[in-house]
Amino acid sequence: KAGVTQTPRYLIKTRGQQVTLSCSPISGHRSVSWYQQTPGQGLQFLFEYFSETQRNKGNFPGRFSGRQFSNSRSEMNVSTLELGDSALYLCASSFEQLSFGTGELFFGEGSRLTVL
Amino acid sequence: AQKVTQAQTEISVVEKEDVTLDCVYETRDTTYYLFWYKQPPSGELVFLIRRNSFDEQNEISGRYSWNFQKSTSSFNFTITASQVVDSAVYFCALSGNNQGGKLIFGQGTELSVKP
Repeated sequence: KAGVTQTPRYLIKTRGQQVTLSCSPISGHRSVSWYQQTPGQGLQFLFEYFSETQRNKGNFPGRFSGRQFSNSRSEMNVSTLELGDSALYLCASSFEQLSFGTGELFFGEGSRLTVL
Repeated sequence: AQKVTQAQTEISVVEKEDVTLDCVYETRDTTYYLFWYKQPPSGELVFLIRRNSFDEQNEISGRYSWNFQKSTSSFNFTITASQVVDSAVYFCALSGNNQGGKLIFGQGTELSVKP
């Protein structure tokens, strides 16, 4: 079956702009979680959406937001971009909600954001 | 607080050598899960294994094996007879029952297998 699809794969923005990233999970998966990967901070959890509701949130400012649609596709938005937001943003899907802790996550290839 | 430490930032071996990637974790949760993921250059994280806190049995899958020891809070990963295709960044991760299931990742170990 098709894997997790993230778009766009690469994008360049300038400080102060906003960006929207999209994630299409594996068919039948209802949980979508987002992670930010940077060389300095490593992989950090942003948030999880399950059945269109945010279920868990990491320690990121309110500039980072997301949503999930009825078909389980998810978007994340970063407003007022800062240089430090440059990162690889990874989306992961799973059938179960993360809090069950038993399911493996399937990751997309990520969206690489560069903020100039 | 939950934390995962992968002390080895980079490891370089020659093909067919065995290599062990170390992972030490900290958690106060009584129920938790440990994971290993592989990140090839393409970027996606590939799931390798999951262990729960109640199952300390070691596991072997082909050339891969995992050693889980609660007494030392370690979950080490060994690749036997390494191959060039094993070159990647490997992440150890932890999720606890009181953390909503989010994964806490270590900093990763970059493995380079040279022919």
